[in-house]
Amino acid sequence: TQLLEQSPQFLSIQEGENLTVYCNSSSVFSSLQWYRQEPGEGPVLLVTVVTGGEVKKLKRLTFQFGDARKDSSLHITAAQPGDTGLYLCAGFRSNDYKLSFGAGTTVTVRA
Amino acid sequence: EPEVTQTPSHQVTQMGQEVILHCVPISNHLYFYWYRQILGQKVEFLVSFYNNEISEKSEIFDDQFSVERPDGSNFTLKIRSTKLEDSAMYFCASQIGGLVAEAFFGQGTRLTVV
Repeated sequence: TQLLEQSPQFLSIQEGENLTVYCNSSSVFSSLQWYRQEPGEGPVLLVTVVTGGEVKKLKRLTFQFGDARKDSSLHITAAQPGDTGLYLCAGFRSNDYKLSFGAGTTVTVRA
Repeated sequence: EPEVTQTPSHQVTQMGQEVILHCVPISNHLYFYWYRQILGQKVEFLVSFYNNEISEKSEIFDDQFSVERPDGSNFTLKIRSTKLEDSAMYFCASQIGGLVAEAFFGQGTRLTVV
């Protein structure tokens, strides 16, 4: 079983539509981070959420951390083809010395 | 902007050979990690390193793997006797410290074992 479950696994939408990616766990995390990864490249950090209930906005991207710090979501408004990529959530649990990753959501935005 | 640098970008090696992957973490960071990603699969944790010792390692990180921080700036991953299934992208990451600080990743080394 995965520590962090991401859903959906694949998402294909038309330019201008909205989308939401979910990251869920039964464990509590000290922090959750969202990354975007292009093929053949390393994950690039988008945001870190730390406080339960926290909402962070990055242009058209909105990130939310659940009140219990067990889940997070990424919402993209008016998606553009440039948003295409693999979105990864990752988190630190309080008793871990590693960043655990979800399996990722592949987002395709069609022009 | 400071970044994590990995070399080489691509390494091809014969099965059974030793390889060393190099990483230069961000200079004031204290925590270092190696991850790998087999083509089309998820990013998998290998090992974390702090204060010159391994903090945690995964089941993947067996006796064939070792890490070292030889000179205060480099952080290396050695695979002693490579297997075909070691073929993957290997990512180094560093973190300034603590469980809420961001981890920054290098561009990765693509290891191909033939």
